[in-house]
Amino acid sequence: GAGVSQTPSNKVTEKGKYVELRCDPISGHTALYWYRQSLGQGPEFLIYFQGTGAADDSGLPNDRFFAVRPEGSVSTLKIQRTERGDSAMYLCASSDPGAGANVLTFGAGSRLTVL
Amino acid sequence: KQEVTQIPAALSVPEGENLVLNCSFTDSAIYNLQWFRQDPGKGLTSLLLIQSSQREQTSGRLNASLDKSSGRSTLYIAASQPGDSATYLCLSAGNNRKLIWGLGTSLAVNP
Repeated sequence: GAGVSQTPSNKVTEKGKYVELRCDPISGHTALYWYRQSLGQGPEFLIYFQGTGAADDSGLPNDRFFAVRPEGSVSTLKIQRTERGDSAMYLCASSDPGAGANVLTFGAGSRLTVL
Repeated sequence: KQEVTQIPAALSVPEGENLVLNCSFTDSAIYNLQWFRQDPGKGLTSLLLIQSSQREQTSGRLNASLDKSSGRSTLYIAASQPGDSATYLCLSAGNNRKLIWGLGTSLAVNP
C-alpha cells in the first residue's frame, strides 16, 4: 500500500481481555517496528522485525505481549490479559533498510483503552 | 547510555515568529536524524530526514540542520502559523540500527 495502515484505529476493552492490533506496512519494506506511546511521553520501543523474524524484542514489557509477522509483511501485536496500564497509543512503522536505513514511516496508530 | 534531549519541552509563540527547536544527541556515530510532527492523539508524520553526511534539509518553511561534532540538530520553522501547533520529536538512528527518541517539544502558535 501507499502508507502504513493500522487497525483498529481505536479499541476499547475491559481489563483481562485479549487484544490484537494489526499493522500493514508499506509494500516491500522488510523492517517493521512496534512502539507504544503514553500521553505526554515519547514513543517506547517494543519490538523490531527484519523480515519474518523478531530481530529485537527487548522492548516487550512482559510475557503478556507478543508480536508475529508470519509472512514478512503484515504484523499483529497481541496483548493477553490486558491491564489498565496497557492503555496507550500503539504505533507501527516500517522501513526499507536497503534503501538508506532507518527511515521510518509511521501509521496513524491504534489507540487502546483498557477499562 | 545514549540519549536524545529536546529543549525546550514546551514553547508558545505568537503567529508569524521564526523559531528554532533543538535536539541534542550523544551518539557520535549517528547514521541519520529524523524530525517528526505529532498532533494530539495522532500518529507520527515524518518532516525531514538528515543523513549523517548531510548538513541540512529543507522542506517549505522547515529547515533542519545537523552538526555531528557538537551532537546537535535544529529544526527551524519560518513564519510560524497556528497550524504548526503540535509536538515535534527527533529520532536518532545509530550505525547499529539503534533508534533513540527525544521526548519532544510541544509547540503552540497563537493567532
